[in-house]
Amino acid sequence: EADIYQTPRYLVIGTGKKITLECSQTMGHDKMYWYQQDPGMELHLIHYSYGVNSTEKGDLSSESTVSRIRTEHFPLTLESARPSHTSQYLCASSELARDWYEQYFGPGTRLTVT
Amino acid sequence: QKEVEQDPGPLSVPEGAIVSLNCTYSNSAFQYFMWYRQYSRKGPELLMYTYSSGNKEDGRFTAQVDKSSKYISLFIRDSQPSDSATYLCALSGGTSYGKLTFGQGTILTVHP
Repeated sequence: EADIYQTPRYLVIGTGKKITLECSQTMGHDKMYWYQQDPGMELHLIHYSYGVNSTEKGDLSSESTVSRIRTEHFPLTLESARPSHTSQYLCASSELARDWYEQYFGPGTRLTVT
Repeated sequence: QKEVEQDPGPLSVPEGAIVSLNCTYSNSAFQYFMWYRQYSRKGPELLMYTYSSGNKEDGRFTAQVDKSSKYISLFIRDSQPSDSATYLCALSGGTSYGKLTFGQGTILTVHP
């Protein structure tokens, strides 16, 4: 069982609210990721980090921001939620070198913006 | 054109059937090929990993890569109801090394 946690699991929120999706892992992995997954669609990488104080934008443009102040914590923030942000958000982590291809995923946060 | 194409299904088979799941890709730089399995309301988990061309077997699962055709497959023998899940192919390599490009997933249901 992967030790990566996401909270909340489900969130329904009104337009214009600021939200933070939490992601934590206890495996000591350097690399962490955020993906966006819509039903029947592929996972799209929106942010990743190679370690503390390192953040990069992924392949899919996103209005969200991330921070990496601690190795185990990689929160995602939306300053002003919109209905177009409705989606499932998956957090993952992996080792930087060995077995980099094995990403451990959290259970996801299903966000609905009304 | 998407870099990775995967038939979304859904695919419904009886228990004990052989299942074939497939992806095609366009980026010839991809060298690392993975299959992830995602159960309902869970995150994906790594099922198989293959580097370059060839076959790899793990129990009832066989991953096959044909780089000349840019085609990868996952075969499940003696399928079980517990195999019911979404199967996603994931590829990496070239300028995308270290990052995974996912297919959209194939929904598989195995009926008892």
